[in-house]
Amino acid sequence: DAGVIQSPRHEVTEMGQEVTLRCKPISGHDYLFWYRQTMMRGLELLIYFNNNVPIDDSGMPEDRFSAKMPNASFSTLKIQPSEPRDSAVYFCASSYSRFGSYEQYFGPGTRLTVT
Amino acid sequence: AQTVTQSQPEMSVQEAETVTLSCTYDTSESDYYLFWYKQPPSRQMILVIRQEAYKQQNATENRFSVNFQKAAKSFSLKISDSQLGDAAMYFCAYRSAVRGGATNKLIFGTGTLLAVQP
Repeated sequence: DAGVIQSPRHEVTEMGQEVTLRCKPISGHDYLFWYRQTMMRGLELLIYFNNNVPIDDSGMPEDRFSAKMPNASFSTLKIQPSEPRDSAVYFCASSYSRFGSYEQYFGPGTRLTVT
Repeated sequence: AQTVTQSQPEMSVQEAETVTLSCTYDTSESDYYLFWYKQPPSRQMILVIRQEAYKQQNATENRFSVNFQKAAKSFSLKISDSQLGDAAMYFCAYRSAVRGGATNKLIFGTGTLLAVQP
Protein backbone atom coordinates (compact mmCIF):
# COMPACT_ATOMS: atom_id res chain seq x y z
CA ASP A 1 0.00 0.00 0.00
CA ALA A 2 1.70 3.19 -1.18
CA GLY A 3 2.03 6.06 1.23
CA VAL A 4 1.86 9.74 0.42
CA ILE A 5 4.01 10.48 -2.60
CA GLN A 6 5.75 13.79 -3.13
CA SER A 7 7.82 15.07 -5.99
CA PRO A 8 10.42 16.23 -6.46
CA ARG A 9 12.37 15.17 -3.37
CA HIS A 10 14.83 17.98 -3.86
CA GLU A 11 14.48 21.22 -5.75
CA VAL A 12 17.10 23.90 -6.24
CA THR A 13 16.05 27.04 -8.04
CA GLU A 14 17.04 30.64 -8.46
CA MET A 15 15.23 33.54 -6.90
CA GLY A 16 12.36 34.71 -9.05
CA GLN A 17 11.67 31.35 -10.63
CA GLU A 18 8.38 29.48 -10.34
CA VAL A 19 8.41 26.32 -8.24
CA THR A 20 5.74 23.61 -8.27
CA LEU A 21 5.61 20.90 -5.64
CA ARG A 22 3.43 17.86 -6.18
CA CYS A 23 1.61 15.48 -3.90
CA LYS A 24 -0.37 12.28 -4.31
CA PRO A 25 -2.29 11.40 -1.14
CA ILE A 26 -3.06 7.91 0.07
CA SER A 27 -5.92 6.48 -1.94
CA GLY A 28 -9.25 6.97 -0.19
CA HIS A 29 -8.09 9.74 2.10
CA ASP A 30 -10.34 12.79 2.08
CA TYR A 31 -8.08 15.34 3.76
CA LEU A 32 -4.86 16.73 2.37
CA PHE A 33 -2.48 19.05 4.17
CA TRP A 34 0.55 21.09 3.15
CA TYR A 35 3.12 21.87 5.88
CA ARG A 36 6.38 23.75 5.83
CA GLN A 37 9.31 23.02 8.13
CA THR A 38 12.07 25.51 8.86
CA MET A 39 14.56 25.84 11.65
CA MET A 40 13.16 29.21 12.66
CA ARG A 41 9.43 28.44 12.58
CA GLY A 42 9.31 24.68 13.00
CA LEU A 43 6.42 22.81 11.40
CA GLU A 44 3.57 25.01 10.30
CA LEU A 45 0.41 24.28 8.37
CA LEU A 46 0.06 26.20 5.13
CA ILE A 47 -3.28 24.98 3.81
CA TYR A 48 -5.56 21.99 3.92
CA PHE A 49 -8.26 20.52 1.72
CA ASN A 50 -11.29 18.37 2.43
CA ASN A 51 -12.74 16.48 -0.53
CA ASN A 52 -10.61 18.64 -2.84
CA VAL A 53 -11.97 21.90 -1.42
CA PRO A 54 -9.62 24.31 0.40
CA ILE A 55 -10.83 24.68 3.97
CA ASP A 56 -8.17 26.73 5.74
CA ASP A 57 -5.46 28.66 3.93
CA SER A 58 -4.68 31.04 6.77
CA GLY A 59 -1.14 29.68 6.95
CA MET A 60 -0.23 30.56 3.39
CA PRO A 61 2.46 33.19 3.81
CA GLU A 62 1.52 35.52 0.98
CA ASP A 63 0.11 35.76 -2.49
CA ARG A 64 3.19 34.21 -3.99
CA PHE A 65 1.95 30.88 -2.64
CA SER A 66 -0.97 29.03 -4.16
CA ALA A 67 -2.29 25.49 -3.82
CA LYS A 68 -4.72 23.45 -5.86
CA MET A 69 -6.33 20.06 -5.65
CA PRO A 70 -7.96 19.33 -8.99
CA ASN A 71 -8.93 15.80 -8.00
CA ALA A 72 -8.76 13.39 -5.08
CA SER A 73 -5.39 11.98 -6.08
CA PHE A 74 -3.32 15.06 -6.82
CA SER A 75 -2.39 18.40 -5.32
CA THR A 76 0.14 21.10 -6.13
CA LEU A 77 1.77 23.86 -4.14
CA LYS A 78 3.15 26.63 -6.29
CA ILE A 79 5.48 29.47 -5.39
CA GLN A 80 5.77 32.29 -7.89
CA PRO A 81 8.12 34.10 -7.73
CA SER A 82 10.32 32.18 -5.30
CA GLU A 83 12.55 33.91 -2.76
CA PRO A 84 15.49 32.66 -0.66
CA ARG A 85 13.32 32.80 2.49
CA ASP A 86 11.08 30.14 0.95
CA SER A 87 13.88 27.61 1.40
CA ALA A 88 12.43 24.87 3.60
CA VAL A 89 11.17 21.31 3.63
CA TYR A 90 7.60 21.10 2.40
CA PHE A 91 5.49 18.18 3.55
CA CYS A 92 2.24 16.88 2.23
CA ALA A 93 0.07 14.76 4.52
CA SER A 94 -3.27 13.04 4.13
CA SER A 95 -5.87 11.60 6.47
CA TYR A 96 -9.14 9.70 6.47
CA SER A 97 -12.05 11.03 8.46
CA ARG A 98 -14.36 8.06 8.48
CA PHE A 99 -13.37 6.66 11.86
CA GLY A 100 -12.85 9.97 13.55
CA SER A 101 -9.19 9.71 14.43
CA TYR A 102 -7.94 11.85 11.55
CA GLU A 103 -4.43 10.50 11.87
CA GLN A 104 -2.24 12.27 9.36
CA TYR A 105 0.27 10.37 7.27
CA PHE A 106 3.14 12.35 5.88
CA GLY A 107 5.01 12.14 2.62
CA PRO A 108 8.82 12.17 2.51
CA GLY A 109 8.92 15.93 1.95
CA THR A 110 10.44 18.16 -0.70
CA ARG A 111 13.57 20.04 0.25
CA LEU A 112 13.45 23.37 -1.54
CA THR A 113 16.51 25.57 -1.85
CA VAL A 114 16.14 29.00 -3.42
CA THR A 115 19.42 30.72 -4.24
CA ALA B 1 -5.52 29.24 20.51
CA GLN B 2 -3.92 25.95 21.32
CA THR B 3 -0.19 25.69 21.93
CA VAL B 4 2.22 22.80 22.38
CA THR B 5 5.46 23.13 24.32
CA GLN B 6 8.43 20.80 24.34
CA SER B 7 10.90 22.18 26.86
CA GLN B 8 13.74 19.76 26.14
CA PRO B 9 15.54 20.71 22.90
CA GLU B 10 17.89 17.73 23.23
CA MET B 11 18.01 14.50 25.20
CA SER B 12 20.46 11.63 25.35
CA VAL B 13 20.00 8.02 26.45
CA GLN B 14 22.16 4.94 26.62
CA GLU B 15 21.20 2.02 24.46
CA ALA B 16 18.80 -0.34 26.30
CA GLU B 17 17.91 2.34 28.85
CA THR B 18 14.64 4.22 29.25
CA VAL B 19 14.06 7.86 28.39
CA THR B 20 11.09 10.17 28.83
CA LEU B 21 10.36 13.12 26.57
CA SER B 22 8.15 15.89 27.93
CA CYS B 23 5.29 17.73 26.29
CA THR B 24 2.76 20.17 27.68
CA TYR B 25 -0.10 21.82 25.87
CA ASP B 26 -2.64 24.50 26.40
CA THR B 27 -6.25 24.28 25.27
CA SER B 28 -9.72 25.17 26.42
CA GLU B 29 -11.23 22.20 24.60
CA SER B 30 -12.26 19.04 26.40
CA ASP B 31 -11.96 16.64 23.50
CA TYR B 32 -8.85 16.35 21.37
CA TYR B 33 -6.10 14.03 20.18
CA LEU B 34 -2.44 14.07 21.03
CA PHE B 35 0.29 12.52 18.94
CA TRP B 36 3.98 11.81 19.00
CA TYR B 37 5.76 11.87 15.65
CA LYS B 38 9.32 10.73 15.01
CA GLN B 39 11.50 12.39 12.38
CA PRO B 40 14.75 10.51 11.71
CA PRO B 41 17.54 11.98 9.58
CA SER B 42 15.69 10.80 6.48
CA ARG B 43 13.19 13.57 7.50
CA GLN B 44 10.20 11.27 7.06
CA MET B 45 7.53 12.08 9.67
CA ILE B 46 6.47 8.82 11.30
CA LEU B 47 3.50 8.52 13.64
CA VAL B 48 4.65 6.84 16.85
CA ILE B 49 1.62 6.90 19.11
CA ARG B 50 -1.79 8.51 19.55
CA GLN B 51 -3.88 9.35 22.61
CA GLU B 52 -7.54 10.31 22.70
CA ALA B 53 -8.28 12.83 25.45
CA TYR B 54 -11.47 11.04 26.50
CA LYS B 55 -9.55 7.87 27.29
CA GLN B 56 -8.04 7.62 30.74
CA GLN B 57 -5.87 4.67 29.83
CA ASN B 58 -2.44 5.61 28.57
CA ALA B 59 -1.64 4.50 25.02
CA THR B 60 1.09 1.93 24.43
CA GLU B 61 2.79 0.77 21.25
CA ASN B 62 5.46 -1.84 21.89
CA ARG B 63 8.40 -0.02 23.52
CA PHE B 64 6.63 3.34 23.36
CA SER B 65 4.13 4.49 25.96
CA VAL B 66 2.69 7.79 27.08
CA ASN B 67 1.86 9.34 30.42
CA PHE B 68 -1.24 11.42 29.75
CA GLN B 69 -2.22 13.76 32.55
CA LYS B 70 -5.28 15.65 31.30
CA ALA B 71 -5.69 17.95 34.28
CA ALA B 72 -2.05 18.96 34.12
CA LYS B 73 -2.17 19.12 30.30
CA SER B 74 0.89 16.95 30.10
CA PHE B 75 1.67 14.25 27.54
CA SER B 76 5.08 12.64 27.92
CA LEU B 77 6.56 9.86 25.80
CA LYS B 78 8.49 7.01 27.38
CA ILE B 79 10.80 4.92 25.24
CA SER B 80 11.87 1.69 26.89
CA ASP B 81 14.87 -0.43 25.90
CA SER B 82 16.16 2.36 23.66
CA GLN B 83 17.69 1.30 20.38
CA LEU B 84 20.07 3.09 18.04
CA GLY B 85 17.24 3.39 15.54
CA ASP B 86 15.28 5.50 18.00
CA ALA B 87 17.66 8.39 17.45
CA ALA B 88 15.57 11.11 15.86
CA MET B 89 13.71 14.35 16.40
CA TYR B 90 10.45 13.75 18.25
CA PHE B 91 7.49 16.07 17.88
CA CYS B 92 4.47 16.30 20.09
CA ALA B 93 1.29 17.41 18.30
CA TYR B 94 -2.25 18.41 19.19
CA ARG B 95 -5.42 18.13 17.14
CA SER B 96 -8.92 19.16 18.05
CA ALA B 97 -11.52 16.38 18.01
CA VAL B 98 -14.26 18.64 16.71
CA ARG B 99 -15.46 17.22 13.40
CA GLY B 100 -15.03 19.25 10.27
CA GLY B 101 -14.55 22.99 10.22
CA ALA B 102 -11.13 24.56 10.48
CA THR B 103 -9.93 22.42 13.37
CA ASN B 104 -8.25 19.53 11.65
CA LYS B 105 -4.76 20.91 11.62
CA LEU B 106 -1.98 19.52 13.74
CA ILE B 107 -0.29 21.94 16.07
CA PHE B 108 3.30 20.88 16.67
CA GLY B 109 5.77 21.50 19.41
CA THR B 110 9.31 22.55 18.58
CA GLY B 111 10.70 19.05 18.91
CA THR B 112 13.19 17.16 21.05
CA LEU B 113 16.32 15.75 19.44
CA LEU B 114 17.04 12.35 20.95
CA ALA B 115 20.52 10.86 20.76
CA VAL B 116 21.07 7.20 21.60
CA GLN B 117 24.54 6.32 22.84
CA PRO B 118 25.86 2.81 22.16
